[in-house]
Amino acid sequence: EPEVTQTPSHQVTQMGQEVILRCVPISNHLYFYWYRQILGQKVEFLVSFYNNEISEKSEIFDDQFSVERPDGSNFTLKIRSTKLEDSAMYFCASSDKSTDANYGYTFGSGTRLTVV
Amino acid sequence: GQQVMQIPQYQHVQEGEDFTTYCNSSTTLSNIQWYKQRPGGHPVFLIQLVKSGEVKKQKRLTFQFGEAKKNSSLHITATQTTDVGTYFCAGYLANTGNQFYFGTGTSLTVIP
Repeated sequence: EPEVTQTPSHQVTQMGQEVILRCVPISNHLYFYWYRQILGQKVEFLVSFYNNEISEKSEIFDDQFSVERPDGSNFTLKIRSTKLEDSAMYFCASSDKSTDANYGYTFGSGTRLTVV
Repeated sequence: GQQVMQIPQYQHVQEGEDFTTYCNSSTTLSNIQWYKQRPGGHPVFLIQLVKSGEVKKQKRLTFQFGEAKKNSSLHITATQTTDVGTYFCAGYLANTGNQFYFGTGTSLTVIP
C-alpha cells in the first residue's frame, strides 16, 4: 500500500536554529498538507499546498514557516528560527481528490521535533 | 473560528463493552472524516461521511452524520483490545478552503 514517507523521524535542534522537515507524498496525489500535534493534544492544521502554491494556512503558520516542493517528489516544511513551543510531532499528509467516493488523507509517520 | 469538539475526552471500557464518541461542530459541515491514531502512531483514515443523516458501517464500527450536518458519532460494538487508540473526527467546510478541522479526539482504553 502506498505510503507517505517522512524524514527524519526525530529531530533535536537548538532554539533559534532552522530546521527542514521532509516528506515524500504518495506519487499520484495532488494535495499536500502539514499538520502538527503537540504531545497528547489534537492534530492542528498548518498548511495545505496544491498546484505548487499554498492554498490555505492557519494562524500557526506564521512568517517563520515556509513550504516548498523543490522537485516532483519532495514536500518540505521549513521553520526558520525554532522556538521551544515548536516542539511537536509534525505530520505530512497527502490526498487524491480525483473521486468523490471516499477519499481521505494519508498521513506519514511523523517527525518528532524537539527544540531545546 | 471553526471549532470541532469531541466527547468524551477519555473512555475506559471493559473488553466486550460498547463505545461511542461524539463529534460536534459549531458550524454546518460539508463532510466529515474519522481517523484512528494508535498510541505513538499517526492518524489513519477510517471513513468519510457526506450526506445528511448518513450511516456507514465497517464491521463493528458504525458512523453517523447528523441531519443538520453539525454532529457525528462513532460507535464500536463489543470492543477489543485492538480498538485502543485515539479517535478523531475531522470536519470540512467547503467555504473555508482546502482543509479539515480536527476534533479534540477521544482516547479509548480497552481493559482486557
